Amino acid sequence: EAQVTQNPRYLITVTGKKLTVTCSQNMNHEYMSWYRQDPGLGLRQIYYSMNVEVTDKGDVPEGYKVSRKEKRNFPLILESPSPNQTSLYFCASSVGLANNYEQYFGPGTRLTVT
Amino acid sequence: GENVEQHPSTLSVQEGDSAVIKCTYSDSASNYFPWYKQELGKGPQLIIDIRSNVGEKKDQRIAVTLNKTAKHFSLHITETQPEDSAVYFCAANSGYALNFGKGTSLLVTP
Repeated sequence: EAQVTQNPRYLITVTGKKLTVTCSQNMNHEYMSWYRQDPGLGLRQIYYSMNVEVTDKGDVPEGYKVSRKEKRNFPLILESPSPNQTSLYFCASSVGLANNYEQYFGPGTRLTVT
Repeated sequence: GENVEQHPSTLSVQEGDSAVIKCTYSDSASNYFPWYKQELGKGPQLIIDIRSNVGEKKDQRIAVTLNKTAKHFSLHITETQPEDSAVYFCAANSGYALNFGKGTSLLVTP
C-alpha cells in the first residue's frame, strides 16, 4: 500500500530534550516536506527536500533541522524543543514539487513540549 | 510568502444542502489550486485541484471554480452527506511553495 508513515504518533517531552520524528514514504517520491498545523493558523511548511541531500527552509524553519540521506526518509529533528513547538506535525511527499503536484500526507505526530 | 485567505472558518449545513467555501490569493502568477480534506485524526488528502487554464472542474458532487481576474477560487459540495464533515483547506502555489488557507471546519448534520 502506498503510504507515508510517521513515528511516533504522539509524543510528550520536556523543554530542551532533543527529539526526532521519523518520516518514510514507499512511493519513490522525489519531494518531501514537513508541516506544522496549529489552530487558526492552518498548515505551515517547516522544511522541504527536492531530492537526496537537497533541503531548504519553508516558512517556519526556526528551531528545526532535517536531513535527507535516503530518498524514502526525511526525519525532523528538534535539537532543543520549546513549548511553542507544541503542535501537530505532518510529513508529506509528492512525485514533484509541491507547487504543482498532489501531496500525500502522513497521519500526523502530535507533539507536546512541557 | 503568498497570502491565501479562506472563508468561512466554520460552516454548518443540513444533509442534502450545498456547501461553498471561498478562497482568495495574492500572487497573480499562481496557477495551481488544490483542495485538501482532513478527517479527524488523519492527514489532509487531496480531493480536487484546478489549474489556471480552466475556469471550472467537477468530480461527482464536488466542483471547484476559479476566477483568475479576481484572484479567487471556490469549492462547491452538493447534496452534502454526514461523511463530508471534515476540515477543508484550499491552497495556491507561489514560487516553489504551496501556501494553504487556514481551513474551514464543515459540519453536515443529519
